[in-house]
This record gives sequence, structure tokens and C-alpha cells, in this order.
Amino acid sequence: DAMVIQNPRYQVTQFGKPVTLSCSQTLNHNVMYWYQQKSSQAPKLLFHYYDKDFNNEADTPDNFQSRRPNTSFCFLDIRSPGLGDAAMYLCATSRRGVTEAFFGQGTRLTVV
Amino acid sequence: QKEVEQNSGPLSVPEGAIASLNCTYSDRGSQSFFWYRQYSGKSPELIMSIYSNGDKEDGRFTAQLNKASQYVSLLIRDSQPSDSATYLCAVNRADSGAGSYQLTFGKGTKLSVIP
Repeated sequence: DAMVIQNPRYQVTQFGKPVTLSCSQTLNHNVMYWYQQKSSQAPKLLFHYYDKDFNNEADTPDNFQSRRPNTSFCFLDIRSPGLGDAAMYLCATSRRGVTEAFFGQGTRLTVV
Repeated sequence: QKEVEQNSGPLSVPEGAIASLNCTYSDRGSQSFFWYRQYSGKSPELIMSIYSNGDKEDGRFTAQLNKASQYVSLLIRDSQPSDSATYLCAVNRADSGAGSYQLTFGKGTKLSVIP
């Protein structure tokens, strides 16, 4: 089935050690989003790609970067993870002209 | 700062009852409204979307929208234990570019359906 797939489901990284989270989609959607959701909090948009155009949220820390090498893949890079970056990271996609966003299973990041 | 407010709960209802979940939003220009269900440790799953004032029904779920009051609600009829989850209200930001849907989420209401 067409879907949004995030890898890995669980990631443990060391404080300050760069980490990359992956998202792929078979939906051929134009837009890909990265959200951060901390425990008992609302998902918070970090940035999104509209095709190749990158759109950063004003309050997203510089520590967070993203790459979209092609339509199907999008990566979230955390350059120097801190303890406060422990969260569920959610990738979502949507198609131009269709309002609904579809989420992947999420990657739960633990920083030790 | 555009906000979406929900009562965090927990909201407990007996099996078979109607569960009523409420949400208010501050971005008056928002045009698209969504309810997501999120089981513990899982990602959000879209269950309802609504764009016009009034009611929209889908099976046991009814979404209600009142743009003048900036209010969205979700009714779940004949609640089942499997409905126990956190329900997130999400609003498409008015400043979203054409064709993209940047969502502002509420913190969610935790629903518990008691057998």
C-alpha cells in the first residue's frame, strides 16, 4: 500500500552526536513536513518542503536541518542533539490541492 | 502566536455513550479543520476534516464547525473502548502557502471509554 514510512522507529543517540532521521513516501505528494512532538505536547511544525522549496519555521532551532534529495525522500538532521530534543519526530505528506496531511509512524528519539 | 486550545482531560465516558470533544482556535483566517486520533506511542491518524460551518457526519463521528465562534467539536456516538485515545484538533494556518497545509495542533484531549 502507498504510505509514509519513517526509519528507524526508535533511535537512541548520544548527547551532541549528529543523528539523521529518514522519511520516505510512495504517495508522490508534493509537500513533506517534519513535526516534533514532545511528551503530552502538541505536534509542532519544524519545517516543510514544497517540492524542492524549503520552508523553515521562524522558531525552529538552527540545530535542526533537513534535506529532500528527491520527491520520495526527506531527512531530518539534528547536528548536536541535546536532552531537550528527545521527542517523537513525525513526518507527514500532502498533495497540492488536497487538504489532508498523512503521517508516518514516527521516530521516537532518545538522547543519552 | 496562533493557538489551538483543547481541554486536556481525561474525559471518561461509559461504553455506548456520546463523547464530546471541543476545540477553539485563534487564527481567524483558518479555513480547514481536522481531528486526529493518536493512540499512545503512535502517530496521529486523520479521522475527520471539516471546512464549512455546520455539521459533517462520518459513521459514528460528527464534526461541528462554527467559524464565527472559532470553535470546532467532535462527537463520537456509541463510544467503544477502542476509541480510547488522545484526540488532536488541528487547524490549517491561514498563512500556509497555496497547496501546503501547515497545521497548528492542540495538545489533545485524552478520552477513556469505560467498558
